[in-house]
Amino acid sequence: GEDVEQSLFLSVREGDSSVINCTYTDSSSTYLYWYKQEPGAGLQLLTYIFSNMDMKQDQRLTVLLNKKDKHLSLRIADTQTGDSAIYFCAESFNQAGTALIFGKGTTLSVSS
Amino acid sequence: DAGVTQSPTHLIKTRGQQVTLRCSPKSGHDTVSWYQQALGQGPQFIFQYYEEEERQRGNFPDRFSGHQFPNYSSELNVNALLLGDSALYLCASSQTSAGTGSGYTFGSGTRLTVV
Repeated sequence: GEDVEQSLFLSVREGDSSVINCTYTDSSSTYLYWYKQEPGAGLQLLTYIFSNMDMKQDQRLTVLLNKKDKHLSLRIADTQTGDSAIYFCAESFNQAGTALIFGKGTTLSVSS
Repeated sequence: DAGVTQSPTHLIKTRGQQVTLRCSPKSGHDTVSWYQQALGQGPQFIFQYYEEEERQRGNFPDRFSGHQFPNYSSELNVNALLLGDSALYLCASSQTSAGTGSGYTFGSGTRLTVV
């Protein structure tokens, strides 16, 4: 079955690195995504990784994928107070009509 | 370039009533998906529309129905509202020909409260 698990909370100090972890169960997932949701807002796509990649870097964001352990992580370097939000991990398959399967989200709190 | 537009932003309905939510996809997108996000939860897939037809459906009852128009905009209808239908309803658009790797663009959602 499909399931995406995330830890619920993470608290860091401004300037530190944040690492948000996610595990998924469906090994046939093709794409894995990280979305950000600020209070009262919709979802903002931060980055995604194709399942044949191990790592993807995009400015302050680094995504690591361990397919063997079905583990995905998002590292935010030099975390800022504006990064405080809920972060969702999601998976999908590369076929028409596919749905995104989301985790419950990790609330990141950044203190100054 | 406008992103995904949803209306209304907030709505209060009484149990048993019916509601219609609306979504205009991002320019260039032809596929619309609807998600329900209950408080403290991740979004749950309701259904997806492409070429004016429901292409895939999640685990939601028939009280949830939808429609896609020739201009790619979409409506979500919920009949016989229950208290448990209270949630943020998110619309996401995408371009089928681009594949799922391009991701989905989400609107800001409609907050539905059933009393």
